Amino acid sequence: DAGVTQSPTHLIKTRGQQVTLRCSPKSGHDTVSWYQQALGQGPQFIFQYYEEEERQRGNFPDRFSGHQFPNYSSELNVNALLLGDSALYLCASITEGGGQETQYFGPGTRLLVL
Amino acid sequence: QKEVEQNSGPLSVPEGAIASLNCTYSDRGSQSFFWYRQYSGKSPELIMSIYSNGDKEDGRFTAQLNKASQYVSLLIRDSQPSDSATYLCASTGGGNKLTFGTGTQLKVEL
Repeated sequence: DAGVTQSPTHLIKTRGQQVTLRCSPKSGHDTVSWYQQALGQGPQFIFQYYEEEERQRGNFPDRFSGHQFPNYSSELNVNALLLGDSALYLCASITEGGGQETQYFGPGTRLLVL
Repeated sequence: QKEVEQNSGPLSVPEGAIASLNCTYSDRGSQSFFWYRQYSGKSPELIMSIYSNGDKEDGRFTAQLNKASQYVSLLIRDSQPSDSATYLCASTGGGNKLTFGTGTQLKVEL
């Protein structure tokens, strides 16, 4: 049973460019959340996708957008990159049972904006 | 005001000792609580979840939750050098959005 996968593992971009990050959840998980983790900080919630719709969104600008596909995989797009967008981007795959949810993180994509 | 607070550390304990990590949260609507371990350069790994008041034990780990005091803790017994990592406390209310603290760095010394 494959865990959460993310691609690419590392990425270097310049200011103003656009980037797309990808995530495949664990088998059987239909909900995906994205987080941004700056150096020395805890992860910050960007948004969550369920049934191909954005279900919840954190305090991030519209430059951050996403998509979920019918196979539950997801993309995170960031437009007009800023230096401050340099971070580890984490995808979490969510399972729920008995009213209790658990989130499992993928290995992350480390983005460096120059 | 941060919603989940942790002491950033580092917390240093000798090998074989008990490490005690603490976390407070401000949102009384928080329902579920999690401890993640994160090694340098890696992604967070779930080690404990707790949903009701009291203690929950899993091997060398014990999570404690006190909703009245809005307090969550993690005890690591018989600490090993491999336990050296940053421990992230997180909570959720409705909607599965995880709110994290900044993490506590744990160092287990030989």
